[in-house]
Amino acid sequence: GQQLNQSPQSMFIQEGEDVSMNCTSSSIFNTWLWYKQDPGEGPVLLIALYKAGELTSNGRLTAQFGITRKDSFLNISASIPSDVGIYFCAGPPFNYGKLTFGQGTILTVHP
Amino acid sequence: GAVVSQHPSWVICKSGTSVKIECRSLDFQATTMFWYRQFPKQSLMLMATSNEGSKATYEQGVEKDKFLINHASLTLSTLTVTSAHPEDSSFYICSARDTGGPDNEQFFGPGTRLTVL
Repeated sequence: GQQLNQSPQSMFIQEGEDVSMNCTSSSIFNTWLWYKQDPGEGPVLLIALYKAGELTSNGRLTAQFGITRKDSFLNISASIPSDVGIYFCAGPPFNYGKLTFGQGTILTVHP
Repeated sequence: GAVVSQHPSWVICKSGTSVKIECRSLDFQATTMFWYRQFPKQSLMLMATSNEGSKATYEQGVEKDKFLINHASLTLSTLTVTSAHPEDSSFYICSARDTGGPDNEQFFGPGTRLTVL
C-alpha cells in the first residue's frame, strides 16, 4: 500500500522553541492534511492543503504543500505545553482516495 | 461544526461476546464513514469504508464477518466486533466525510477503547 514517511518520530523541546516536522511520499498526493492527537482522543484536523506550493497558517501553526506534491511540512512556532501530543500527516495518494497516515511525531514540550 | 461522536468511549467485555460501537456525525451528513484501529504508539490503520445504504468495503486482511459494519443513515455507522478475543483489544476510531465538504477532509470521533478479557 501507499506509505508516508514522517520525521522525526519524536521531539523533546523547551517551551518557546519552534518545531518542524515533515512528511514525504513516493507517490503524488493531491491533498495534505495535518492532524493532532491527544492521548485517548481521536485526531483533530489542524490544517488542510489542497494545492502544490500552498502555504497555510492556523495561529502558531504553518504548513506547506511541497511543489513536487510528494512532501509537506508543519511548523509550530513558540511552542507551549498544550502543544504536547502526536502529530500526523495524512493524505489521499492520487487516484487512491483513502487517507494514508504517517507514522506520527510525538511532541513533548518541557515547561 | 464538523463534530463526530462515538459511543461508548470505552468498553470492557469478556472473550466471546460481541461489542457494538456507534459513530455519529452530529452536525453534518456523512455518506461515507471510515473505521480505523490504533495500537499504542502506532499510527491509524484503516479497517473499512462504510457507505450509507450499501455494503462496507474492507481493507485487505480485515475479516468482514468479524467486524460487521452497518451504515443505515446519513449520520450513523456502527461497528460490531463479533466474538471478541483479547487480540481485538485496541483503540477504535471512526471518521466521517462531510457530504457537502471537500472530498478529502475527514473528521474523527474521540475513539473507543475496547478491552477484551
